[in-house]
Amino acid sequence: KNQVEQSPQSLIILEGKNCTLQCNYTVSPFSNLRWYKQDTGRGPVSLTIMTFSENTKSNGRYTATLDADTKQSSLHITASQLSDSASYICVVSKAGNNRKLIWGLGTSLAVNP
Amino acid sequence: KAGVTQTPRYLIKTRGQQVTLSCSPISGHRSVSWYQQTPGQGLQFLFEYFSETQRNKGNFPGRFSGRQFSNSRSEMNVSTLELGDSALYLCASSDPGQLSYEQYFGPGTRLTVT
Repeated sequence: KNQVEQSPQSLIILEGKNCTLQCNYTVSPFSNLRWYKQDTGRGPVSLTIMTFSENTKSNGRYTATLDADTKQSSLHITASQLSDSASYICVVSKAGNNRKLIWGLGTSLAVNP
Repeated sequence: KAGVTQTPRYLIKTRGQQVTLSCSPISGHRSVSWYQQTPGQGLQFLFEYFSETQRNKGNFPGRFSGRQFSNSRSEMNVSTLELGDSALYLCASSDPGQLSYEQYFGPGTRLTVT
């Protein structure tokens, strides 16, 4: 069954600290993996997209890693800011004509001053 | 380029009524997807339209329908509203010609059914 599981479900950190969010998937055949940031009541915004051959991709203070062998990905946030408080969603795209997206439930991150 | 726009942003309806939501994709994008998001459920895929044709469909009842116009704008309709239809409805546009097939989301329509 095609699934995307994220952990932890929620996380609270202090401003300035680093954190790492996890994503495990069982989607096959694999096309790419995306991380989205969603602020409360807003639409998701793409942070990174990684294909099978990419194992690291950065977007400012956000760094995503992908291990296609173990089907795991992580999103590392460096020097967190209050504006990083949001839900972070991992999405895996199936290869094929339909390019079906399998969405995780997200990790809710709260950055406190 | 202007982003994805959705109208209205907020809507309050009564059970049994119907509602129509609108989405205008990024200029040049011909694919529009619709999602329902409720607390604890994540994004649930409703359907995708490409060049006025429904290309993919999620597991939602027939009360949920959509269409796409020749200018790529899309509408979603929900008939006989139920309390459980209260959610954030998100529209995403994409360019199928892109290898990554990245989706760009609008701000959403918050629907409340009372």
